[in-house]
Amino acid sequence: KQEVTQIPAALSVPEGENLVLNCSFTDSAIYNLQWFRQDPGKGLTSLLLIQSSQREQTSGRLNASLDKSSGRSTLYIAASQPGDSATYLCAVRPTGANSKLTFGKGITLSVRP
Amino acid sequence: NAGVTQTPKFRILKIGQSMTLQCTQDMNHNYMYWYRQDPGMGLKLIYYSVGAGITDKGEVPNGYNVSRSTTEDFPLRLELAAPSQTSVYFCASSYSMVGYEQYFGPGTRLTVT
Repeated sequence: KQEVTQIPAALSVPEGENLVLNCSFTDSAIYNLQWFRQDPGKGLTSLLLIQSSQREQTSGRLNASLDKSSGRSTLYIAASQPGDSATYLCAVRPTGANSKLTFGKGITLSVRP
Repeated sequence: NAGVTQTPKFRILKIGQSMTLQCTQDMNHNYMYWYRQDPGMGLKLIYYSVGAGITDKGEVPNGYNVSRSTTEDFPLRLELAAPSQTSVYFCASSYSMVGYEQYFGPGTRLTVT
């Protein structure tokens, strides 16, 4: 059974710092991996989707990488800002017909001014 | 283009009551999903649908029912509400199961007392 782990559960950094959020998964047989952002009391917003054949995806200050063989993905946030404060979740879609997303529990990021 | 909308935003139910959580998407997505999110537990899939008239169970379907009479709507029915169903419920949709992002609604916060 696929398991997704995000450690640490919470992270606090000063504004301007470059940071990396980690995501690990137990089964490398995946179609893709998706990173989401969730603000308090809100729904999930998709940030980046990486297909299994890709190594990384970029959107603005965000860069997500995927290493299937080691079961790891990282979300890199450049020049962090207080507005980046949120919970970041990763989810993997295993291979197989009608496979469903398996979510990590998320990392709550606080960027201090 | 509103994306995925959910009603109500908040609801308090008494034990044994029933209610329907509404979900509508205007992106012409075939696939729709219901998740619940409990503190520190990540998201769990309740039910999903691959198209009008077709639904299937997810990881935690007990105590819930769904229907999909149209492409746009995917209501979630709670019968005989129990305190264990206190949670935040998210509806999501995607163009396909594989290779496409899931888009989430803003959520319904349900308390059963």
